[in-house]
This record gives sequence, C-alpha cells and structure tokens, in this order.
Amino acid sequence: DQQVKQNSPSLSVQEGRISILNCDYTNSMFDYFLWYKKYPAEGPTFLISISSIKDKNEDGRFTVFLNKSAKHLSLHIVPSQPGDSAVYFCAASGTEYGNKLVFGAGTILRVKS
Amino acid sequence: GAVVSQHPSRVICKSGTSVKIECRSLDFQATTMFWYRQFPKQSLMLMATSNEGSKATYEQGVEKDKFLINHASLTLSTLTVTSAHPEDSSFYICSASAHRASTDTQYFGPGTRLTVL
Repeated sequence: DQQVKQNSPSLSVQEGRISILNCDYTNSMFDYFLWYKKYPAEGPTFLISISSIKDKNEDGRFTVFLNKSAKHLSLHIVPSQPGDSAVYFCAASGTEYGNKLVFGAGTILRVKS
Repeated sequence: GAVVSQHPSRVICKSGTSVKIECRSLDFQATTMFWYRQFPKQSLMLMATSNEGSKATYEQGVEKDKFLINHASLTLSTLTVTSAHPEDSSFYICSASAHRASTDTQYFGPGTRLTVL
C-alpha cells in the first residue's frame, strides 16, 4: 500500500522553464513533507520541506506547495537549470511516525539545455 | 551540511556469506540512524530505525535475524546481511539524524550496492 505516490516516473523540461513535480499522499496523519534530490551513485540530499500548517514554502528557485484537502503537494523549480537533472523524491512524516520518513518512488527530472 | 559516509560503496558476494555495511556520521553525532533499501525504480523502503545504545526497531516484514543492526556509538551504525541470497541484492542506504523529532533533517549516505551471486 503506497502511502506516498509520485505518479510521473519522469519529466523533461527546457532550461529556463518551470519544472513542476507532483506528489500525492493517502494518510491524513502525515503533517510534515520533504523533497529530496538524488544524483546517481549518491544518497538523497535534502532540498526543502513544509509543515502541514503552511501551504507554501519558498527557498530560492524552489517552492513547495501543499494542498491538504487534496492530499497533494508539488515542487516548483524556476528557472530550471541543467544541474537540476536528478531524481526527486517526495517524503512524508508525522508525529505518530516518530521521525520515520515514507518515500515516494521518485521522479526523474531532465533539464535540457 | 552534515556528511554521512557508507562503506563499502559496492560489494559482490557469494550466496550464503555475510556482508557488513558501515554507516558513519562524519561531522555530527547521530542520535538516530535509519537503514533503507531501494529496488530498481522503486522508492526507498525503511528497514529499521536504530537509536544509539538501544536495539534497532525493525519495520514489518524485515527479518531482524537476517539484517543485524548495531548502533554502538553516536557516529557509527552497521548493517550485516547474514547468509545473503540473490534476492537480497539491492541498494542499501543509511541516513542519520541528530535528534528524534519528525521534523529533524535526515542526512543520507551515498548508498551501498550489494550483489549476491
């Protein structure tokens, strides 16, 4: 039973345009969400997070939006750069989970120059 | 940012042997360490959570006698895959956290690719 779903296995975007990565979750007890970025042969690195008390968090070119009623979050990268090409994982956590993370399957982002 | 290392990065072993993977937090004390495995094109699946000085907590379906976890110090955790079989071939990743809160950032190691022949 996948509690965190990233339905797009891959996304291709032109350099300079916006990349939008989507994530859906099923468990309403999740109250903290994170995005991780992973390059080949490396471990995931933390990118940005959002608490359920907010609907938007911005950090430079990266913005995460949370729609609790739809149980949906998205990561916007603008402008996209070739170095952003990586696998992006959405993860969720909640107080009742301690600090355990539940990951989505990831979306491969390719930014074309 | 915090650095977590894993050793070895790749290991190939024969079926029936045991393999030990080390996870080290290099510049911070990791109160909690996590072990994940990832199959191709699938998400990271949490195997177990270990807090320094106490026994690891295993996720449902993970055999604790097969995947031995030791977290003897605040900077080192080890995962030993005992009597490895080809179906244990996977990408194993550890992460470390300085605290136990759900909002505390986990820092990931680079992963270990295990191939069991």
